[in-house]
Amino acid sequence: EVQLLESGGGLVQPGGSLRLSCAASGFTFSNYAMSWVRQAPGKGLQWVSGITGSSNKIYYTDSVKGRFTISRDNSKNTLYLQMNSLRAEDTAVYYCAKDLLSGSYLFDYWGQGTLVTVSS
Amino acid sequence: DIVMTQSPDSLAVSLGERATINCKSSQSVLYNSNSKNYLAWYQQKPGQPPKLLIYWASTRESGVPDRFSGSGSGTDFTLTISSLQAEDVAVYYCQQYYSTSSTFGQGTKLEIK
Repeated sequence: EVQLLESGGGLVQPGGSLRLSCAASGFTFSNYAMSWVRQAPGKGLQWVSGITGSSNKIYYTDSVKGRFTISRDNSKNTLYLQMNSLRAEDTAVYYCAKDLLSGSYLFDYWGQGTLVTVSS
Repeated sequence: DIVMTQSPDSLAVSLGERATINCKSSQSVLYNSNSKNYLAWYQQKPGQPPKLLIYWASTRESGVPDRFSGSGSGTDFTLTISSLQAEDVAVYYCQQYYSTSSTFGQGTKLEIK
């Protein structure tokens, strides 16, 4: 059974940093691209960043470029999102999501999400 | 970025009746080399992550009831629920995965009339 478990969310002040983790199980992690997708309170879904299985291709949405860094450790079956220079508009539930077809950015499994709140 | 626009924003349908949600992309998501539309539909219930329903515009994900169907090509797409059940109350999102910067529609809230 595929499982994705996010952690690392919390309350942080504007300008601060957080590192999110997503522990994956139930599939061959290194074979699949993974993404982070966020959802601001009461709002819709926004794809944030994606990384291929071998980490050779990485993509970001424009609003987080230069501030967020996606990475993965295939030996630990874990996906990361390092978030720096956080802003109030980054407040959201952050989901990690697995590609159905590697590199497709089509998501067949999602974690339950971790809440990031940026506020003073 | 490709902009995805859904209509309507909210919809109330009687149990057993048909529900139709539309999605329009700002540019075509049809990849000519394989004739596939890079368009998916997700269902999100309160407090839960999204669930994949439809991909390639019309392929149902495994386990999704056949009352859910997708259609369309190019820039105009439709999600149809043929006979609304109480458990279908949710917000529905379309998503394009044609570009490496994937984008979602704003969502359509489906309720029971």
